[in-house]
Amino acid sequence: GDSVTQMEGPVTLSEEAFLTINCTYTATGYPSLFWYVQYPGEGLQLLLKATKADDKGSNKGFEATYRKETTSFHLEKGSVQVSDSAVYFCALPTRGNTGKLIFGQGTTLQVKP
Amino acid sequence: DTEVTQTPKHLVMGMTNKKSLKCEQHMGHRAMYWYKQKAKKPPELMFVYSYEKLSINESVPSRFSPECPNSSLLNLHLHALQPEDSALYLCASSPEVADYSNQPQHFGDGTRLSIL
Repeated sequence: GDSVTQMEGPVTLSEEAFLTINCTYTATGYPSLFWYVQYPGEGLQLLLKATKADDKGSNKGFEATYRKETTSFHLEKGSVQVSDSAVYFCALPTRGNTGKLIFGQGTTLQVKP
Repeated sequence: DTEVTQTPKHLVMGMTNKKSLKCEQHMGHRAMYWYKQKAKKPPELMFVYSYEKLSINESVPSRFSPECPNSSLLNLHLHALQPEDSALYLCASSPEVADYSNQPQHFGDGTRLSIL
């Protein structure tokens, strides 16, 4: 069945460092892909999405490219800030009219000043 | 600003109490969801409502009882909960359920539930 594998954390970086969080997926079709972010004490927020191969989603300095050939959707940011400290989830919707989302295990990012 | 509003933000209850969680959205979405989330883990789907009808119950114990009074409101009624039910309960909505949907779900900030 469809699945998402996300790199384990926690990831600790200094401010202005480069960030990569790896996400790979398996799917029988061509799903959309999402990155959600969860700040402390809050719910999940959509960070960015891509709906087809080679699409690049971007928001708040974060980017991710839908790579069909490597079945990946890695999240990157060129210069992280303390305010980016959060848990990041990669997700894809399932086949069929279910509304279900498959989430990766989540990666905790801590950015130190 | 969160477009999905959940109340209360925090709830402490005993194992014999009855309480309800509420969720409201005004985006015209016709699919609504309840999730349970433990610390630093991904949300686990509990229920899906589509056009105000329950479409998915992920084998949730009967001590959790969902209700969708109208297209904007979603409730979760709680009764005789166990300590392991302590968690963050998230509500979400999306325009509708669809195959490999490209429409993201919008989440509320959740209710943090503690069972004594």
